Amino acid sequence: NAGVTQTPKFQVLKTGQSMTLQCAQDMNHNSMYWYRQDPGMGLRLIYYSASEGTTDKGEVPNGYNVSRLNKREFSLRLESAAPSQTSVYFCASIRTGNHEQYFGPGTRLTVT
Amino acid sequence: AQSVAQPEDQVNVAEGNPLTVKCTYSVSGNPYLFWYVQYPNRGLQFLLKYITGDNLVKGSYGFEAEFNKSQTSFHLKKPSALVSDSALYFCAVRDISGGSYIPTFGRGTSLIVHP
Repeated sequence: NAGVTQTPKFQVLKTGQSMTLQCAQDMNHNSMYWYRQDPGMGLRLIYYSASEGTTDKGEVPNGYNVSRLNKREFSLRLESAAPSQTSVYFCASIRTGNHEQYFGPGTRLTVT
Repeated sequence: AQSVAQPEDQVNVAEGNPLTVKCTYSVSGNPYLFWYVQYPNRGLQFLLKYITGDNLVKGSYGFEAEFNKSQTSFHLKKPSALVSDSALYFCAVRDISGGSYIPTFGRGTSLIVHP
């Protein structure tokens, strides 16, 4: 099993550009999450999907959209990137009935 | 509402000495508690969890944590630190009363183990 995979690993955008961060898991997990990690701020939840076909806002959803394409894939889209979105983005998943999250390796995004 | 606090941004310890990384939490119901570790340029890895039962929980790499309900704490401990334990450690809590799968993470504590 590859676990949770994320693409790309690194990305540099100019202000106003758009992009989609991809996340996939091969563990048949129901719930998936997108977090951002900033120095001294810990992990903040952007959006989550409790199951295929559902998505909900987390703590910091502004400027982002998500799509739960199927049970395996959960993408995060920045429609118009801003420097404040410079961060490291992590995708995670969890199996219903289990409790710990499995994290991807992260995407380091810089917006200039 | 649920919250978690890691009062130390950084913990320094000499190799071979015991280490403690502190975590306190706040929930309205009963907590699920977790510790994760993050090595440089990597995602978070699960270390251990408290769900129910024995208050002393053992996890990966020789780490353990003690659930203390009266002090609302879940401190991470290891009897003898290794240089390779140097990493960023996150405590997380989930209030099980609402049936949510949304944990809240602390801000992280950087553990530095000196040779």
